[in-house]
Amino acid sequence: KAGVTQTPRYLIKTRGQQVTLSCSPISGHRSVSWYQQTPGQGLQFLFEYFSETQRNKGNFPGRFSGRQFSNSRSEMNVSTLELGDSALYLCASSLRQGAGNTIYFGEGSWLTVV
Amino acid sequence: DAKTTQPPSMDCAEGRAANLPCNHSTISGNEYVYWYRQIHSQGPQYIIHGLKNNETNEMASLIITEDRKSSTLILPHATLRDTAVYYCIVRVTYSGGGADGLTFGKGTHLIIQP
Repeated sequence: KAGVTQTPRYLIKTRGQQVTLSCSPISGHRSVSWYQQTPGQGLQFLFEYFSETQRNKGNFPGRFSGRQFSNSRSEMNVSTLELGDSALYLCASSLRQGAGNTIYFGEGSWLTVV
Repeated sequence: DAKTTQPPSMDCAEGRAANLPCNHSTISGNEYVYWYRQIHSQGPQYIIHGLKNNETNEMASLIITEDRKSSTLILPHATLRDTAVYYCIVRVTYSGGGADGLTFGKGTHLIIQP
């Protein structure tokens, strides 16, 4: 069974640009969440989607957005990139939303903003 | 902020059991304890999670105290590949079953010595 798949794995963007990252959850999983990992702030929750609706949101500015499609695949977008957005962006999926569900992470997308 | 406290680092000899402690004194009755590990530059790997009872799977055992204020992750026969940062997470849960995203603290850097 394939795991959580994220694309692209590595990318470099220029300050002010925007970026879109993609995530394919484990087959059958309907909840997808996104996390940002930086050396200074550690792993931080961005948002969670279930049934194409955002269910939870972390403490990030509006430049960070996401969406989920009917096949549960998800994308996240960061607009007007800043140097501090350089990070590992992780996608995770679970069967359902809510407590007690096992959450599996992908290998992440490394974003460098120059 | 994370609701857990873990030692920043631990050593364990290869072949011995690794016991990783975690304090979560403010845990609520319907909040789960999750354990993940992360090897440098990879996505977090799910290990185990539990609510009240002890849990065991092919990777590890989770022992939760009766008052639920602390837990211990046990890797029964540690190998060099178990060297990683281990995160103990209490997932904030709402009435009705909804839950926050995972809040990662700084974790415990477990080093398996040959």
